[in-house]
Amino acid sequence: DSGVTQTPKHLITATGQRVTLRCSPRSGDLSVYWYQQSLDQGLQFLIQYYNGEERAKGNILERFSAQQFPDLHSELNLSSLELGDSALYFCASSVGEGVQAFFGQGTRLTVV
Amino acid sequence: GESVGLHLPTLSVQEGDNSIINCAYSNSASDYFIWYKQESGKGPQFIIDIRSNMDKRQGQRVTVLLNKTVKHLSLQIAATQPGDSAVYFCAEILKTGNQFYFGTGTSLTVIP
Repeated sequence: DSGVTQTPKHLITATGQRVTLRCSPRSGDLSVYWYQQSLDQGLQFLIQYYNGEERAKGNILERFSAQQFPDLHSELNLSSLELGDSALYFCASSVGEGVQAFFGQGTRLTVV
Repeated sequence: GESVGLHLPTLSVQEGDNSIINCAYSNSASDYFIWYKQESGKGPQFIIDIRSNMDKRQGQRVTVLLNKTVKHLSLQIAATQPGDSAVYFCAEILKTGNQFYFGTGTSLTVIP
């Protein structure tokens, strides 16, 4: 167990809908990262927060947004969902920046 | 994003043999590298890391080698066991960035 908690584990929703994925980082970790992993693909970096502030952005679609709250948990919002958004979404956390990150078990999103 | 690639997408080894998984990276400004192991249905798990001021680092049954001249990283697993079967990713972290760039992964299969 990495100490990073993601909910829900599985999510099935229809095209056009909006979902929110939640991540609780390890105790004491200030940095949260979000990644998308499609079938047989690597991990695509989406966005990173550090102590509530957005620090880095990857190939995140405009339909996607995220935030980190004062208690350091983070949420990834996916809207106007398309079939191609079906993927595993991982959250990772680290105590700082540029240090090893620990991953959660992921949320498997299926858009039908 | 940055290019972090793997030479071989799949690798099969006999139980007890040593495994070598390779990774090429493209950015000489990279400061930090991590190897992750991902088992089916789980999140990536930290194995070992190395900073750019080192060329070798050893862990328990694993060794990471860094060759900055040719921008190459390798993971050596000694006495490979069935439990080592997984997908292995290398991740690259730039000095100036906060995101981890991952390659597509190498699938390691250990044959009993």
